[in-house]
Amino acid sequence: AQSVAQPEDQVNVAEGNPLTVKCTYSVSGNPYLFWYVQYPNRGLQFLLKYITGDNLVKGSYGFEAEFNKSQTSFHLKKPSALVSDSALYFCAVRTGTASKLTFGTGTRLQVTL
Amino acid sequence: DTEVTQTPKHLVMGMTNKKSLKCEQHMGHRAMYWYKQKAKKPPELMFVYSYEKLSINESVPSRFSPECPNSSLLNLHLHALQPEDSALYLCASSQVILAGGNGELFFGEGSRLTVL
Repeated sequence: AQSVAQPEDQVNVAEGNPLTVKCTYSVSGNPYLFWYVQYPNRGLQFLLKYITGDNLVKGSYGFEAEFNKSQTSFHLKKPSALVSDSALYFCAVRTGTASKLTFGTGTRLQVTL
Repeated sequence: DTEVTQTPKHLVMGMTNKKSLKCEQHMGHRAMYWYKQKAKKPPELMFVYSYEKLSINESVPSRFSPECPNSSLLNLHLHALQPEDSALYLCASSQVILAGGNGELFFGEGSRLTVL
């Protein structure tokens, strides 16, 4: 079985400050981890993925995520938040040959001036 | 071309109507997916097609009928829906996992369905 948890329903941060959106996962086997962003009434946009290799993954729009195997975490980070980053963020996991991508419950990021 | 195109963007239908949602991609992906998403909730997997054959049906009611007529197209036929079926329906595609794909999904913008 595979699952992913996003412990925060909402994260509030001031523009220019660093942001972190948390994600932890549970899988049997090696995880394939993803972050997606969704703006209101839009589809999901891919941000970044961890498949193998370097634990620090860089993605779109200045986002990055760090894979931590010992803590089973894959937190999303950005050094300096923008108001335009305000959206709903989903962490997702897949393992092995499973076609199914399991999504977390989502975290709403609110960036204010 | 890295787009997944969904039509229509909005659909309003009565409980006795028959309608269809359409999805198209030209990325050469041989896995295609239908997801249902309620407001402020994560997407829920409905169906997966792999090489144009249905590989996963997540116990979806028969009033939803998927079809994959070729490797670029995916349809979702709707009949006798209930108001609680109102949601955003997302189509996605990916490389087939067993063919070396990593599972990255490419999503369309969705079709917002309202059932009256």
